[in-house]
Amino acid sequence: GAGVSQSPRYKVAKRGQDVALRCDPISGHVSLFWYQQALGQGPEFLTYFQNEAQLDKSGLPSDRFFAERPEGSVSTLKIQRTQQEDSAVYLCASSWTPGLTAGNTIYFGEGSWLTVV
Amino acid sequence: KNEVEQSPQNLTAQEGEFITINCSYSVGISALHWLQQHPGGGIVSLFMLSSGKKKHGRLIATINIQEKHSSLHITASHPRDSAVYICAVPNSGGSNYKLTFGKGTLLTVNP
Repeated sequence: GAGVSQSPRYKVAKRGQDVALRCDPISGHVSLFWYQQALGQGPEFLTYFQNEAQLDKSGLPSDRFFAERPEGSVSTLKIQRTQQEDSAVYLCASSWTPGLTAGNTIYFGEGSWLTVV
Repeated sequence: KNEVEQSPQNLTAQEGEFITINCSYSVGISALHWLQQHPGGGIVSLFMLSSGKKKHGRLIATINIQEKHSSLHITASHPRDSAVYICAVPNSGGSNYKLTFGKGTLLTVNP
């Protein structure tokens, strides 16, 4: 596709419900990133994939959060037993090459807005 | 972790004014990103710069590596420039994929 596509754009989940957020990166992009952005804050790193390998998941807030990218393209961020504090915008981003070296532009999706009630 | 401070947090300007947004960081970096986020929208990368100055249309970004400081300027501001502007820098510690983001500067340009 032309850009990074995320779905759903908006999700309201009842507390305790499981949710799955999908990210379609730009075709051919090696790197894929997930970020969490709380209201009024800057994005916070969640996890990083290089192709299908999840090289860093240190930003995932708890073991209720799980991300995968099984074929090195589409990625899914899953949140189990959602809590109110999980309410945030979840941003996916991708880039051509491994990492974010100088000259490597990062492309963001529109985000998935999650509200847990 | 690299600490990133942006100023001002909020900025209101009249159409046509020259805008400056500042970003300071705590640890030396290889490159700094300036990003734009419209309300309800995703993030667009404006610049990635490692030294000197870059210009794109009415936007100019400068960086001073020694002083660990960058500025984003908008000339002849327009209401469509209203957005949150975020700077981001690589985390310290060697990982070349982790970014630390500032909290953003909310710019409102009135007609």
